[in-house]
Amino acid sequence: AQSVAQPEDQVNVAEGNPLTVKCTYSVSGNPYLFWYVQYPNRGLQFLLKYITGDNLVKGSYGFEAEFNKSQTSFHLKKPSALVSDSALYFCAVRDMRDSWGKLQFGAGTQVVVTP
Amino acid sequence: DGGITQSPKYLFRKEGQNVTLSCEQNLNHDAMYWYRQDPGQGLRLIYYSQIVNDFQKGDIAEGYSVSREKKESFPLTVTSAQKNPTAFYLCASNLVTAENTEAFFGQGTRLTVV
Repeated sequence: AQSVAQPEDQVNVAEGNPLTVKCTYSVSGNPYLFWYVQYPNRGLQFLLKYITGDNLVKGSYGFEAEFNKSQTSFHLKKPSALVSDSALYFCAVRDMRDSWGKLQFGAGTQVVVTP
Repeated sequence: DGGITQSPKYLFRKEGQNVTLSCEQNLNHDAMYWYRQDPGQGLRLIYYSQIVNDFQKGDIAEGYSVSREKKESFPLTVTSAQKNPTAFYLCASNLVTAENTEAFFGQGTRLTVV
């Protein structure tokens, strides 16, 4: 079984400050890890993924995430947040052995960036 | 443009009615998925399919049905047996190869029971 925890329902940050959205996961095998962003009444947009290799992954719109195997974490970061980053962020995990490609999602973290 | 198209964007259902949500993709992806999104609960998997004429139940399949008659299409029917159907429904597709493993999502259908 696989699961994802996003411990914060909401993260508030001032524009220009660093943004961090936390994610921890549990999976039987090795993980594929993903971050998606959702704007109101829209589908999910892919931000970045960890498959293998470097633990620091860079993605779209200046976001990056660090895979930490010992802490089973995959926190999303952005050095300087923009008001336009305000959205709902989802972390997802897939077991590398799962040939169906099924994703397990966290509950989501609402990011609010204030001017 | 390549992508996933869901229709309609908004759908209203009366008690006891079956309704069908459309999902079409032109990405040539083998795998397709239906998720349900409720506030504070993230996305939960309803059904998934990897090949034509084959599909599997996800975590919350009760009250839903699907078909996969064409690779490009994966419609979801919300039946009258689904007691709480009001939600945002998202369709996704995926190549499911070793390197190309991110899923692509449609824009969603918001279903409301009236």
